[in-house]
Amino acid sequence: KAGVTQTPRYLIKTRGQQVTLSCSPISGHRSVSWYQQTPGQGLQFLFEYFSETQRNKGNFPGRFSGRQFSNSRSEMNVSTLELGDSALYLCASSLGVQGLGNTIYFGEGSWLTVV
Amino acid sequence: SQQGEEDPQALSIQEGENATMNCSYKTSINNLQWYRQNSGRGLVHLILIRSNEREKHSGRLRVTLDTSKKSSSLLITASRAADTASYFCATDVKAAGNKLTFGGGTRVLVKP
Repeated sequence: KAGVTQTPRYLIKTRGQQVTLSCSPISGHRSVSWYQQTPGQGLQFLFEYFSETQRNKGNFPGRFSGRQFSNSRSEMNVSTLELGDSALYLCASSLGVQGLGNTIYFGEGSWLTVV
Repeated sequence: SQQGEEDPQALSIQEGENATMNCSYKTSINNLQWYRQNSGRGLVHLILIRSNEREKHSGRLRVTLDTSKKSSSLLITASRAADTASYFCATDVKAAGNKLTFGGGTRVLVKP
């Protein structure tokens, strides 16, 4: 069974640009969550999607958005990039909604560098 | 501040020794999970312990949960160089819509 797949793995963007990251969950998983990881702030929850609906959202500005498609694949978008958006973006999937005893499985992440 | 806080922030041990790290949290939880992350990689799930459980084992890993003290510990016995990684606890908080909240992690270095 394939794991969680994230693309691209590495990318460099310029301040002011926008970026779209993609995540393919494990087959059969309906929940996809996104996290931002930085040395200073650690792992921070961005949002969770379940059956194409945003179920939960972290404390990030509106520049961060996401969506989930009918096949459970998810994308997140960051507009008007800032230097502080440089981070490892992790996607995780689970069978059911996050929490409630459902294990979440992480992808390898997308390394975003904003210059 | 983070819901889960790991202690210590960093740990250096010799191969064969045991490594213990702790996680404290602030509010009632449904369950607590431990994850491992090798440098620059994704997180790997280790163990989930529910709020009504006190101890769980998985191979060389032992996790305890004390809900009265709002704390959990992860013990790695007979450590190996391959155990070098960062370890995170994640709490599933009832009051936070069940989203997992991660602590800052413990960086473990196992020296051969």
